[in-house]
Amino acid sequence: DIVVTQSPLSLSVTPGAAASISCRSSQSLLQTNGNNHLDWYVQKPGRSPQLLIYLGSNRASGVPDRFSGSGSGTDFTLKISRVEADDVGLYYCMQALQIPWTFGQGTKVEIQ
Amino acid sequence: QVQLVQSGAEVKKPGASVKVSCKASGYTFATYYIHWVRQAPGQGLEWMALIDPRNAWADYAQKFRGRVTLTRDASTTTVYMDLNYLTSDDTAIYYCARDEISAETHNFDYWGQGTLVTVSP
Repeated sequence: DIVVTQSPLSLSVTPGAAASISCRSSQSLLQTNGNNHLDWYVQKPGRSPQLLIYLGSNRASGVPDRFSGSGSGTDFTLKISRVEADDVGLYYCMQALQIPWTFGQGTKVEIQ
Repeated sequence: QVQLVQSGAEVKKPGASVKVSCKASGYTFATYYIHWVRQAPGQGLEWMALIDPRNAWADYAQKFRGRVTLTRDASTTTVYMDLNYLTSDDTAIYYCARDEISAETHNFDYWGQGTLVTVSP
């Protein structure tokens, strides 16, 4: 199985500041067609997860442009440019290259 | 609008089985895989299985193979997850989520509301 590792596991951010979460996979998620099979999800308190970013850097429908994904191969980053109170939650990366799909441990984002 | 509506919470004894349903609406059922992901209390997300609603082909994480079965009823656009030989480690919220079959990648753009399964003596 592909192991996906996130860091940090928790993050406390001042409103308006930037936040960054790292995700590393045990093998490359890059296919020959240039697609990186890495998605980002957020799970707000008491809610189901929701898709933020797919194929490493593509924002899902309705996701504000404050959220951006980058990286390739085995190293990926989710950035929130100006954190808002509503961004509180658990952020997960997930590799979608091969079965079984595997998630990172999750990063808890809190507002200071 | 797209909806995945799951059945209600369950309480089961160790060794029993549970069947959780996921009813899809607001889109063409045959164009999206349905996956199941679970979350134990205070833990992260764990992918379990997926089913192709066109032909009921399913694949399972090795950890759950032999213990979980996915089925679908195309007439009611409902997917079912059966989990057998329950232990306390199976206490979790179980989510269904859809994934576009024709897309160049896999991602879960809509999720069900989750079903809490509690396994307790």
